[in-house]
Order: sequence, then structure tokens, then C-alpha cells
Amino acid sequence: NAGVTQTPKFRVLKTGQSMTLLCAQDMNHEYMYWYRQDPGMGLRLIHYSVGEGTTAKGEVPDGYNVSRLKKQNFLLGLESAAPSQTSVYFCASTTRRSGSSYNEQFFGPGTRLTVL
Amino acid sequence: AQTVTQSQPEMSVQEAETVTLSCTYDTSESNYYLFWYKQPPSRQMILVIRQEAYKQQNATENRFSVNFQKAAKSFSLKISDSQLGDTAMYFCAFMNPQGGSEKLVFGKGTKLTVNP
Repeated sequence: NAGVTQTPKFRVLKTGQSMTLLCAQDMNHEYMYWYRQDPGMGLRLIHYSVGEGTTAKGEVPDGYNVSRLKKQNFLLGLESAAPSQTSVYFCASTTRRSGSSYNEQFFGPGTRLTVL
Repeated sequence: AQTVTQSQPEMSVQEAETVTLSCTYDTSESNYYLFWYKQPPSRQMILVIRQEAYKQQNATENRFSVNFQKAAKSFSLKISDSQLGDTAMYFCAFMNPQGGSEKLVFGKGTKLTVNP
């Protein structure tokens, strides 16, 4: 199993350009998440999905859109990139909790995005 | 909204010694989960230890243990016999199982350096 993979690993954009980050998981997880990590800020939730075809906003959703057309994929889009979106982006996934047990969130390796 | 506070931006410890990282959180919920994640220079997020709030017994994983004080809303991580490979960012995280999204709220992190 590859676990959670992210494409690309690095990207440099110019202000105003658009791009899509792809997250894929092969663990048949229902829940998927996009976080951004900035120095001194920890990880902050951008958007998340609790199932195929559903998405919801997290803590910092402005400037981003997401789609979950297939259960195994979660796409994060930047329509018009801004320097404030320079960050490391992490995708994570987990399966639905059963009873009182908690299922670990598995993280991808991250994507470093620089917007000039 | 829940918040997680890590008051120590940076810490250092000598190899083989013990170090404690602090974490406090704010919630009105009675049932929740707490986690410590490790992020080494490779950037990969690694789950170190987890604690269910309804369990009074402190969780332990080999050299890692927690001191969970529910009334004080405190969740510290103790690393015993520190090793060079423990050098990393450490993030405390909170999860409220109500609502069904299982999203994590992270603290800003503590950078731990283990010195030889």
C-alpha cells in the first residue's frame, strides 16, 4: 500500500496562476483533509470531506476550492494564487470511527508551494 | 471553538536525558481525543501517542508518555532517554468526536533539539 500520496511535491507559481494539488489514498478511507502548515502556525485545516461527493470548509478556506469526485482522491484548487498561499500543504485521511475507538489520521508527505 | 496552546516554541535536551513538552487546550466537551505528532526534518507527520479523555490512565508508548490532567486541560509529553532521532517538531492536537468529521485542531508546535 502506498498510503497517502500527494502530487506534486514542489511547485512554484506566479501570482494569479492557478493549480490543483492531488491527494490520493489507497486505504478506502471515508474522510479526507487538506491542511496548510506555516512557520509558527502549526497545521490549519483548509477543507475536508466525509465522503465521496461531499466537502466542507475548515478553518482557513478562503482562496481554495476542493472536490471529491472519487472516494480515493481529494483535489485542492487555487484559482488565482497569492503570495499569502505560500505554504506546505498536507493531505490526510482516516476511516470512520467505530464506537469509541479512534482511527489514526494518515498524512501524505506534503507539497511545498511558493507563490511569487 | 477548541484551541490548543503549546507555550514552548523551542526546547533542547541532552542525549539520554528526559524532556517534557507542554500542551494546554480549551474545550467545553467532556469526551475528546488528544494526540502528539512528531514531524522530523523529512516533513512526514508521525503519530507518537494518543489519549482518550474518558480514560484516566495516562498513555505510554515505549519512551514516550503523557501526563493528562483533564481538570486542568493539560496534556504534556514526556520523552525519556532522549535520542538524536527525537529531534523534530512536536505538535499537540485535539479532536472532538461530536459532529462526525474527526478533524484535528493543532497547536503551533514545539521544536525539540536533542544534543549529543
